[in-house]
Amino acid sequence: GEKVEQHESTLSVREGDSAVINCTYTDTASSYFPWYKQEAGKGLHFVIDIRSNVDRKQSQRLIVLLDKKAKRFSLHITATQPEDSAIYFCAASMRRSGGSNAKLTFGKGTKLSVKS
Amino acid sequence: GGIITQTPKFLIGQEGQKLTLKCQQNFNHDTMYWYRQDSGKGLRLIYYSITENDLQKGDLSEGYDASREKKSSFSLTVTSAQKNEMAVFLCASSTDRGREVFFGKGTRLTVV
Repeated sequence: GEKVEQHESTLSVREGDSAVINCTYTDTASSYFPWYKQEAGKGLHFVIDIRSNVDRKQSQRLIVLLDKKAKRFSLHITATQPEDSAIYFCAASMRRSGGSNAKLTFGKGTKLSVKS
Repeated sequence: GGIITQTPKFLIGQEGQKLTLKCQQNFNHDTMYWYRQDSGKGLRLIYYSITENDLQKGDLSEGYDASREKKSSFSLTVTSAQKNEMAVFLCASSTDRGREVFFGKGTRLTVV
């Protein structure tokens, strides 16, 4: 089955700098790549996703890049703020027949600390 | 918007005990999931269900049962609690198209 490796287990940046979290996946059939944020004591919430028909997507300060050849995708957080501090999870899934997504396979998470 | 409610928030059980975790969602989503979160290991899928009365095993289903008796609820049973399965259990739901998965706040299981 699919395996997702999240390369950085911890990441520390200064406020205002950019943070980059990298993930790789194994299954070439994977086509949907969401990112989730988990703040202390809370559940996960969705932050941004990218599908395999594009290689870049931006939502405000968040940019996701997808390199299908290398089976790699990354989350870039620009102009970081202290409230960006959290654990970030990448995930991957395949698109089933009929258009629905199959189950998500998650990376192990990256703990991001933004220091002011 | 909707919400996913997991009960209880904290569950303490004895080794060998059968324990049930409950999850309710009011998004009217078709698909529901149970994930286990261990520190440093990310999230691993235990069971999921694509519709009422459907059950699909995930990667970590051994030692667990699940039940989806109605669309809005999905329960998980730990059949015989073990100390090595102390973790946070996260319930989630999504539409059939799975465009976005929404998570509950979790149930933290402690086995004594």
